Formats: sequence, C-alpha cells, structure tokens
Amino acid sequence: GAGVSQSPRYKVAKRGQDVALRCDPISGHVSLFWYQQALGQGPEFLTYFQNEAQLDKSGLPSDRFFAERPEGSVSTLKIQRTQQEDSAVYLCASNPSARGPYNEQFFGPGTRLTVL
Amino acid sequence: KQEVTQIPAALSVPEGENLVLNCSFTDSAIYNLQWFRQDPGKGLTSLLLIQSSQREQTSGRLNASLDKSSGRSTLYIAASQPGDSATYLCAVVPYSSASKIIFGSGTRLSIRP
Repeated sequence: GAGVSQSPRYKVAKRGQDVALRCDPISGHVSLFWYQQALGQGPEFLTYFQNEAQLDKSGLPSDRFFAERPEGSVSTLKIQRTQQEDSAVYLCASNPSARGPYNEQFFGPGTRLTVL
Repeated sequence: KQEVTQIPAALSVPEGENLVLNCSFTDSAIYNLQWFRQDPGKGLTSLLLIQSSQREQTSGRLNASLDKSSGRSTLYIAASQPGDSATYLCAVVPYSSASKIIFGSGTRLSIRP
C-alpha cells in the first residue's frame, strides 16, 4: 500500500537559492507534520497541519521557512535564500487522527538537503 | 522545557543477546511515549507507543516500559538479530505543547553476526 512519500529524495542547492520540498501523506490522513533532522540528531519539530489549517508553526527556525497545505492533502515546505545551516534531512509524517501526535505517526523517507 | 536523552549513543552486541535501550525525559507531564526505528537513509518506523496511563507495550521480541514518575522508559529487545541493527529513537508528546513530538538523539545499535 502507499505510504507517505516525499520528493525530491535528495536536493543540492547553492547558498541563496530557494527550494521547495513536497510531501504526499497517506490518503485521508488529517494530521501532517514536518521535522528537521540534523546529522546524528533526532528529528526536531517544524510545523503541524490539521487538514489545511496550520495549527502550530512554532518550530520553524526563521521567516525563510514557509509551509503550506492548501487542499488538506499534499504539503510543501519552502525554504528561501538557503544557508549552509539549513542542510539536513527534512521528514514528513502523517496520521489519520485530528488529535495531532497522540496516535502512531507514519513517516516518509525524507528529503536530504545539502546547501553548498 | 522538555528534554529527551538516550544513553548510550551507540551500542554493539553479538547476535542472540538480550539488550536494553534507555530513554529519560525531564518533564513527566506527557501524553505518550513512542519508540521508533530508523534505518540509514530512511524515515522512521513506529515500533511501540505507550499512552501515559500504560506501563508497557509488547510487540514480538520488543517490550517497552514507561515509568512516568521517574521520567524513564526502556526498550527491551530479546534474542537480537543482525536485522535489528538500526538507530532507535525515543520520543514524547508533552502536555505543554500537544502538537509536537520531542525526540531524543537516538541509540545506534549494531548486532554482530
């Protein structure tokens, strides 16, 4: 069955470029999360959507980071004017519940972003 | 601020051994605790989720316990196999911010054949 998919799987950007990372959650999943995982560290929360509503964006590290989920399904994480410290794996997760992370999370494979 | 710590950062054991991975968290006000597995270059797979009212969960050779009052959880793996080699992550959902999961840095486990 189809799980959470993310594209691209790998992205190399020059410093200053804008990038867009896509997440396709499992069909029908209400909750969607974005995480940033630096090398050797656990994932860190970026933002949470319940359907199309962005209920929590407290983890976004700066105003260069922007996420959207306009139709309540596919989500895009956009990073403007990328910097080297943005290099990380960006993970997307979804679950069918409207109760946020209270239930099992289903993770995608991640997008590895390298900023040169 | 909730912090999650996992010790050791890395562990190598011979095949067949039983082993325990440790997780501690600083604030006992949590909704649940979850153990994940992460293989290199891949996303996370949920192994066990323990609600705050529960003490343990079991799945096959895996058993996870939760002691909220002491801020500790353990993941017990019985009869380890080379296929168990991966990074194991512990994570909690705190009352203070119930839309996010707080992760530890993980324990990188290697099972030697």
